Amino acid sequence: KNQVEQSPQSLIILEGKNCTLQCNYTVSPFSNLRWYKQDTGRGPVSLTIMTFSENTKSNGRYTATLDADTKQSSLHITASQLSDSASYICVVSVSEAGNNRKLIWGLGTSLAVNP
Amino acid sequence: EAGVVQSPRYKIIEKKQPVAFWCNPISGHNTLYWYRQNLGQGPELLIRYENEEAVDDSQLPKDRFSAERLKGVDSTLKIQPAKLGDSAVYLCASSSTGASNYGYTFGSGTRLTVV
Repeated sequence: KNQVEQSPQSLIILEGKNCTLQCNYTVSPFSNLRWYKQDTGRGPVSLTIMTFSENTKSNGRYTATLDADTKQSSLHITASQLSDSASYICVVSVSEAGNNRKLIWGLGTSLAVNP
Repeated sequence: EAGVVQSPRYKIIEKKQPVAFWCNPISGHNTLYWYRQNLGQGPELLIRYENEEAVDDSQLPKDRFSAERLKGVDSTLKIQPAKLGDSAVYLCASSSTGASNYGYTFGSGTRLTVV
């Protein structure tokens, strides 16, 4: 069964601190893995997209890693800011027939950055 | 680039009333998706269009939900009649078709409240 699990479910950190969010997946056949940031009441915004051959990808203060062997990914946030408070969702894309892809969504990690 | 534009942003209706959502995808994106997202959960796919054709509507509750994408550009999603359980955020996303593309772009969503 295609599944994406994230941990922790929620996290509270102080402004300026770093944090790491985890994503484990059991998906086949794997196409790519994405991390999205979703503010309350808004649509998801893409942070990083990684294919099978990529181990790490950065986007400003966000750095994602991917271990395709263990089927794990992490999202590291450096020097957190209040505006980082949001839900961070791990999404794995599954290849389907006809060059189509299906997205398998994790439930997200709710991050709160406090002053 | 304007991104994926959705309207309205918020909608409050009484149960049994009809409601419609509109989506304008990114110019040139052949694929358009409608998702429904309940609070604290990941989005679930309702329907996917490739140009004008609905290629995956297996999760669309067809007794009350309908969608159209005339001319393969804008799309509307309609609910008639609405039920209390339809309260959710309805997200539209678009992407380009092709093996080299990995990017999905989401709109800000329409938050529907059925009272």
